[in-house]
Amino acid sequence: DAGITQSPRHKVTETGTPVTLRCHQTENHRYMYWYRQDPGHGLRLIHYSYGVKDTDKGEVSDGYSVSRSKTEDFLLTLESATSSQTSVYFCAIRVEANEKLFFGSGTQLSVL
Amino acid sequence: DQQVKQNSPSLSVQEGRISILNCDYTNSMFDYFLWYKKYPAEGPTFLISISSIKDKNEDGRFTVFLNKSAKHLSLHIVPSQPGDSAVYFCAARKTSYDKVIFGPGTSLSVIP
Repeated sequence: DAGITQSPRHKVTETGTPVTLRCHQTENHRYMYWYRQDPGHGLRLIHYSYGVKDTDKGEVSDGYSVSRSKTEDFLLTLESATSSQTSVYFCAIRVEANEKLFFGSGTQLSVL
Repeated sequence: DQQVKQNSPSLSVQEGRISILNCDYTNSMFDYFLWYKKYPAEGPTFLISISSIKDKNEDGRFTVFLNKSAKHLSLHIVPSQPGDSAVYFCAARKTSYDKVIFGPGTSLSVIP
């Protein structure tokens, strides 16, 4: 699993509340990613990071922000959750030696 | 506008036969392609990849073919096994440091 841990695994929240998802890695990889998975859309990139404090937007970044203050942690924040953000969220790291992405087990988020 | 397309949402194949999963892309700048496999309630896992300088890459029962002129790639699984039943995502990126874009996925069912 390339040492990736996502927390929480499941979360139910109400519309309008802020939510933070955490991705933690143990292997010091430079690149980290947040994707969401929805039926018919596959995996869509929200934000990614290429180093501490270095982040960039992906395909569906509206309504999301990220922070990376340490190499091992990449946080995804929904500033004010909406029902359209109900999804499964996956964190991934890239192993630069072989360019493969390794994914965490996912966070199921329900916004009611 | 989807840059990576998988036009078959689902595919059903008899055990022992060949499974062919197709993927089309629109961005001619893509130069590296990957296939990921995903079981329910788990994160996607890397399956096989191919660089644009090749037209075929083989790994055991899995072979990926790339037709650059047609902007098309396919994943062949021979012989198919019930354990191959999963969702398969095609993915692509432009340069070594670029983000990876995924298709919507194809759900493969291998019938015993």
